[in-house]
Amino acid sequence: DGGITQSPKYLFRKEGQNVTLSCEQNLNHDAMYWYRQDPGQGLRLIYYSQIVNDFQKGDIAEGYSVSREKKESFPLTVTSAQKNPTAFYLCASRAGVTQYFGPGTRLTVL
Amino acid sequence: DQQVKQNSPSLSVQEGRISILNCDYTNSMFDYFLWYKKYPAEGPTFLISISSIKDKNEDGRFTVFLNKSAKHLSLHIVPSQPGDSAVYFCAASPGRGGADGLTFGKGTHLIIQP
Repeated sequence: DGGITQSPKYLFRKEGQNVTLSCEQNLNHDAMYWYRQDPGQGLRLIYYSQIVNDFQKGDIAEGYSVSREKKESFPLTVTSAQKNPTAFYLCASRAGVTQYFGPGTRLTVL
Repeated sequence: DQQVKQNSPSLSVQEGRISILNCDYTNSMFDYFLWYKKYPAEGPTFLISISSIKDKNEDGRFTVFLNKSAKHLSLHIVPSQPGDSAVYFCAASPGRGGADGLTFGKGTHLIIQP
């Protein structure tokens, strides 16, 4: 059963702490993406990776970091430098032009 | 600067009637457009797409129309069903086969009334 998984579904973090969001796909897609959604807003691109061991900054990369050590995995770290980290985070992988999304992780900073 | 605009935050349509969701864009480099459907606290689900070389694409109850000269596209849902109630996002790809990510509008909340 192919798809994209994100864990955890809900995540709480104290201010000043780093936190890593997981994204795994078994679709054999090369390209993977991280987006952020805020209430009443569209999705905004944080980071993306076209291939293993390579990634590029998106429109709002400040305060975030990523790695792409395996084709299946693209974890996102939200660092303490991110000023407004509370949001809904979405991971996607791409086939052709179409991106397919995971279920998302809701991050709340307390 | 918002490159993809969905000017209607919400739309209410009676069950069985046609739903028309609109999207405007400003970047002439966009060459591929997609529509996604999203329920609260879930990831977006791909619905339908259209290349800039076409003006219409149809898939079951969903049809997307593209007017390049007006930089406008629309999603038609016929007939509308209760399960269609969701937020719909318009997205655009600025070339390179979508490699550099998609640009999304803010979404339109479609409400299907019984």
